[in-house]
Amino acid sequence: AQKITQTQPGMFVQEKEAVTLDCTYDTSDQSYGLFWYKQPSSGEMIFLIYQGSYDEQNATEGRYSLNFQKARKSANLVISASQLGDSAMYFCAMREGITGANNLFFGTGTRLTVIP
Amino acid sequence: GAVVSQHPSRVICKSGTSVKIECRSLDFQATTMFWYRQFPKQSLMLMATSNEGSKATYEQGVEKDKFLINHASLTLSTLTVTSAHPEDSSFYICSARPGLKNIQYFGAGTRLSVL
Repeated sequence: AQKITQTQPGMFVQEKEAVTLDCTYDTSDQSYGLFWYKQPSSGEMIFLIYQGSYDEQNATEGRYSLNFQKARKSANLVISASQLGDSAMYFCAMREGITGANNLFFGTGTRLTVIP
Repeated sequence: GAVVSQHPSRVICKSGTSVKIECRSLDFQATTMFWYRQFPKQSLMLMATSNEGSKATYEQGVEKDKFLINHASLTLSTLTVTSAHPEDSSFYICSARPGLKNIQYFGAGTRLSVL
């Protein structure tokens, strides 16, 4: 089974509007971390936001917030007040366990296009 | 956030040659670094986990003799693509995590084109 599922291959949003990018995950671990990364056309992976499995509050970083619903195993990214520079690929990722050298499992990504 | 530097950003080489890609953690020490490969319009696939002072751990299906990884210090890991062939053309990206912190930072990636 896929550990990370992103069901939206592409999304469009009007500039200045908010958009939600979906992500569901699958793990039997109690301790895990969820991440969102942005990959512009240049290729670099830019860290956006992190949510730990034991964090009770939804993570927020500026215009980014993570809608964490543990029972549903979802970790949707919400981008508020979209900007043209937000157009990029967005990847949801998970690491099982908190310490150690465990790697990240990535979803297939969502391509976001912000329309002027 | 922490900085991971990857070099070169782009390389074009002839078939049969070897290419070395460097990954450095600039402001932190990394006992573990990760090497990923990304095909066009696809997600990142983990190739191997690089461990400082010991052998790398390769994912299933990744040829360790083809993709040599050396993690000689706490701030440098290298990936050498030996005897490169056109099918090795891809985007390679490294990643590291500062100590016990959870955030994993990525280099800018290396686009390899083998002619």
